[in-house]
Amino acid sequence: AQSVTQLGSHVSVSEGALVLLRCNYSSSVPPYLFWYVQYPNQGLQLLLKYTSAATLVKGINGFEAEFKKSETSFHLTKPSAHMSDAAEYFCAVDRAGGTSYGKLTFGQGTILTVHP
Amino acid sequence: EPEVTQTPSHQVTQMGQEVILRCVPISNHLYFYWYRQILGQKVEFLVSFYNNEISEKSEIFDDQFSVERPDGSNFTLKIRSTKLEDSAMYFCASRTGTANYGYTFGSGTRLTVV
Repeated sequence: AQSVTQLGSHVSVSEGALVLLRCNYSSSVPPYLFWYVQYPNQGLQLLLKYTSAATLVKGINGFEAEFKKSETSFHLTKPSAHMSDAAEYFCAVDRAGGTSYGKLTFGQGTILTVHP
Repeated sequence: EPEVTQTPSHQVTQMGQEVILRCVPISNHLYFYWYRQILGQKVEFLVSFYNNEISEKSEIFDDQFSVERPDGSNFTLKIRSTKLEDSAMYFCASRTGTANYGYTFGSGTRLTVV
C-alpha cells in the first residue's frame, strides 16, 4: 500500500523567497515519486520525478526535490519564488518496477501563494 | 510536445443520465488511466487499462463505470447513470512502457451532475 502526506494545505511566500513544499510518503515497495503542478482550470503538469537514479532531482521552472529514504521524504524547493509559481502542487507516489501497471497515489495538495 | 487531449472540457448532465468522457492519449503510450478530483479533495485513481483490458480498478470504479478503447486512439470513460456525487474533474493520463517516464495528464473534463 502507498500513501502520501503533504504537510500544509496552504503555503504563502514573498516573491524572491525560498519555496519549500513538504511531502512524506509511505510505500511497501521501492517508490517512484513525482511532483505535479496544477494552475487554475488546467490539468496536471509534471514538474519533476524520482525514479531511483540521482536522489537530487531537478525539474522545470527552477524547482528541485531531494529523495531521502531515511526520512521517507521528497520535499520540493525553489530558491526564489516568482509570482507565476502560484498554483497547487501535488506530490504523488507510484510503484517502482518496469513491469508494474503503475498507479499514482496523490497527496492532498498544497496551494502556494506568492505575494509581492 | 505530445499531449493527452480530453473532450469536452465541461459537461453538465442530469442525474441518471449516461455520460461519456473522451480522451486521446499520446500515440506511442501503452498504459491508460482515469483519475478524478472532487472539488477540494485529492486526485483519486479510478482505473488503469493495458493491452485492451482493465488492469486495475479502485473501489470507486463500480458497475456504473466502464472504459473502452474502441479504435486504437480514443480512450473513453462511461458513467451509466450519473449521481450527484459523480460531479468532479476527471483526468485521463497515459504513459509509456515504464513508469520512469512519468505520466502525462490531460487538462481534464469538469463534470457537473444536477
